[in-house]
Amino acid sequence: AQSVAQPEDQVNVAEGNPLTVKCTYSVSGNPYLFWYVQYPNRGLQFLLKYITGDNLVKGSYGFEAEFNKSQTSFHLKKPSALVSDSALYFCAVRPTGANNLFFGTGTRLTVIP
Amino acid sequence: DVKVTQSSRYLVKRTGEKVFLECVQDMDHENMFWYRQDPGLGLRLIYFSYDVKMKEKGDIPEGYSVSREKKERFSLILESASTNQTSMYLCASSPAGTENTGELFFGEGSRLTVL
Repeated sequence: AQSVAQPEDQVNVAEGNPLTVKCTYSVSGNPYLFWYVQYPNRGLQFLLKYITGDNLVKGSYGFEAEFNKSQTSFHLKKPSALVSDSALYFCAVRPTGANNLFFGTGTRLTVIP
Repeated sequence: DVKVTQSSRYLVKRTGEKVFLECVQDMDHENMFWYRQDPGLGLRLIYFSYDVKMKEKGDIPEGYSVSREKKERFSLILESASTNQTSMYLCASSPAGTENTGELFFGEGSRLTVL
């Protein structure tokens, strides 16, 4: 069965410091991997995705994510956090051949001024 | 700019009422989805549709039905609303075939409260 784990419900980081939001997955085959962000009372916005190729993918708003096949992880990173990055972040996977995405439970990021 | 529009941002209904949540996309996408979002549970797929008049059950279809009479519109129906259906409902769409890189395009969400 497919599953996505975001082990941290909450991540706090000081403004200007690097941030990491963790994601691991258990999916057969070669899945597509995604990060979405959700601001209060809004829908989900796409940040970045990994399909194939370079393990480090860059996305919107200065975010990047590193795909690690051996650890089945896809952690979201940013070198210098902004207060405006405070939001709810979701990791998602699309198994091979599927149309839908399976989402993690979300990690609330708070950037402290 | 691509857009998925959910007709109601906030709804309050009473137990037993029939509830319609409407979603329209203007991207000519074949695939459309309904998810519900609950704290600590993330997003869970209720139903999806890959073509007009076609539907597939997701992970939590009980208590829900859907309708897709036109390509751009996908409706979620709660035949008899219950308090445990109080949630945020998110509609999404994606293209099919070679255009489909997996990314879903989401609406703003409909927050339903059932009293």
